[in-house]
Amino acid sequence: DVKVTQSSRYLVKRTGEKVFLECVQDMDHENMFWYRQDPGLGLRLIYFSYDVKMKEKGDIPEGYSVSREKKERFSLILESASTNQTSMYLCASSSQGGRYGYTFGSGTRLTVV
Amino acid sequence: AQKITQTQPGMFVQEKEAVTLDCTYDTSDPSYGLFWYKQPSSGEMIFLIYQGSYDQQNATEGRYSLNFQKARKSANLVISASQLGDSAMYFCAMREGNQAGTALIFGKGTTLSVSS
Repeated sequence: DVKVTQSSRYLVKRTGEKVFLECVQDMDHENMFWYRQDPGLGLRLIYFSYDVKMKEKGDIPEGYSVSREKKERFSLILESASTNQTSMYLCASSSQGGRYGYTFGSGTRLTVV
Repeated sequence: AQKITQTQPGMFVQEKEAVTLDCTYDTSDPSYGLFWYKQPSSGEMIFLIYQGSYDQQNATEGRYSLNFQKARKSANLVISASQLGDSAMYFCAMREGNQAGTALIFGKGTTLSVSS
């Protein structure tokens, strides 16, 4: 079964910490995405990548950065975590133009205290 | 302006009844795709159904069908014979065009509650 795996299901971090959220896919997909999900706001795109070492800002990139050194792995970095970054983070991957191609991880629920 | 609008924050239905979840979209791109996802309380996003902008017929997948009205920019999800396990959050999403790395744009979601 094809998979997108997010390294942590739940994470609690302190304000000011540097936080890494890891995402790995085993489908050889070109595209990978990071979304955050908040009640009443749906999913909002933070960053995406369409190739190794390539990255593009989404709708809400402020306070985040990303890294894609290998095709299968896409990391989301919170340089200095803040309480307003408490959220559910979802990683997804897709092949080019695929109608069934968007596969999501199970999500990481991050709490910043 | 919102690209995907889901106007129903919550919907309630009884088992075995049909339910329609509304979704309208806004795009000027002639090539686009519309998706519906289900998110149970466990958090995973489950793909339900897809409709391409050039598809001539409405998409169906088992108990799910998509009522696609292109001129009205509407892509409502119809769930027939609701089951208790259908209780979840439902998201409508759109992919505009087919460029490299095109992301899905999501609506705010509709919470469906199915009662016995």
